Amino acid sequence: SYVLTQPPSVSVAPGQTARITCGGNNIGSKSVHWYQQKPGQAPVLVVYDDSDRPSGIPERFSGSNSGNTATLTISRVEAGDEADYYCQVWDSSSDHIWVFGGGTKLTVL
Amino acid sequence: QVQLQESGPGLVKPSETLSLTCAVSGYSISSGYYWGWIRQPPGKGLEWIGSIYHSGSTYYNPSLKSRVTISVDTSKNQFSLKLSSVTAADTAVYYCASGSGYGKRNWFDPWGQGTLVTVSS
Repeated sequence: SYVLTQPPSVSVAPGQTARITCGGNNIGSKSVHWYQQKPGQAPVLVVYDDSDRPSGIPERFSGSNSGNTATLTISRVEAGDEADYYCQVWDSSSDHIWVFGGGTKLTVL
Repeated sequence: QVQLQESGPGLVKPSETLSLTCAVSGYSISSGYYWGWIRQPPGKGLEWIGSIYHSGSTYYNPSLKSRVTISVDTSKNQFSLKLSSVTAADTAVYYCASGSGYGKRNWFDPWGQGTLVTVSS
């Protein structure tokens, strides 16, 4: 089965740029989506199809995907960005499978 | 705007069947591309359980496939999850979500608020 690997935690100071990675075998050939989850809340889609943003998501959130690594970039980080972030892909190699990464806790120092 | 709301028992006994329903409002469930169930054990990450397409086709997480059934009730504009032979390891917040995308581009948006199901005697 397809595996997505994320760092458990990333820390960044307010105003700086946070980069959260999502590793997978040839993930660049897949479409990657990112979710933000704050404590006690349901996940919210922040980036879909590698780099597109749903309406209402700030331009500070962006994504890229190439080779074996996809990256969620959060520019000018704010205290309110502190949350867990999950990457997700759809894998059709064995069947129609939705796969989530293990999640990354973003801490704003 | 589509909204989803999970409902069902918050406590299930070991070896019994967990049953949840997701009510969809603001959108016809028969018009949607697909619908899904995702769960999150306390303090852990997200785990996809399964998805059902508007065509009726279903796809399940291989690790749960033998115990999972997802179905749609278009007359009530809702879809359901059944997970049999539950154990304490099935204790989690269960989310339903609307699927979007096309081809290899498949994501979930929006999600329901989630419901905690505890497996205990």
